[in-house]
Amino acid sequence: DAGVTQSPTHLIKTRGQQVTLRCSPKSGHDTVSWYQQALGQGPQFIFQYYEEEERQRGNFPDRFSGHQFPNYSSELNVNALLLGDSALYLCASSLGDIFLYGYTFGSGTRLTVV
Amino acid sequence: QKEVEQNSGPLSVPEGAIASLNCTYSDRGSQSFFWYRQYSGKSPELIMSIYSNGDKEDGRFTAQLNKASQYVSLLIRDSQPSDSATYLCAVNIWANDMRFGAGTRLTVKP
Repeated sequence: DAGVTQSPTHLIKTRGQQVTLRCSPKSGHDTVSWYQQALGQGPQFIFQYYEEEERQRGNFPDRFSGHQFPNYSSELNVNALLLGDSALYLCASSLGDIFLYGYTFGSGTRLTVV
Repeated sequence: QKEVEQNSGPLSVPEGAIASLNCTYSDRGSQSFFWYRQYSGKSPELIMSIYSNGDKEDGRFTAQLNKASQYVSLLIRDSQPSDSATYLCAVNIWANDMRFGAGTRLTVKP
């Protein structure tokens, strides 16, 4: 049973560029959330997708956008990259309400902006 | 006030000792609480969840919840060097919103 898969694992981009990160949720999971984790910090909530719509959003600028596809996979897009966007980006999936089971995390994409 | 607060550590305990990790949260409406373990360079891994006041035990791990004090803790008994990691406290604020603390780095010394 495949867990949450993310691609790519590492990425180096130049300031001002755009990046797309991809996530396939755990089999059977229909909800995908994205988190940003800076070095030495806890994960910060970016947004959550359910039924192909953004259901909730954290305190991130509009440069951060996403999409969920009919097969529940998801993309995170970041435009006009800043040096401060360098972080580990984590995709987490869940089946519906996270109250009982929490999230399953992918291994993350390490983004470095130079 | 941060939504979820943890002592950043580092917390160092000798092998075989009990490690105690603490977390406080600000939203009284929070419904469920989770502890994740994160090894350096890896993704968070769920190790415990708790929803009701009191203790919940799973092997060497015990989670404790006190909603009146807005306090969650994780005890690790018979700590092993392999327990050395960052432990993240996560709180399900409402429906589908989960917020994380900054994590406590634990080192278990042989």
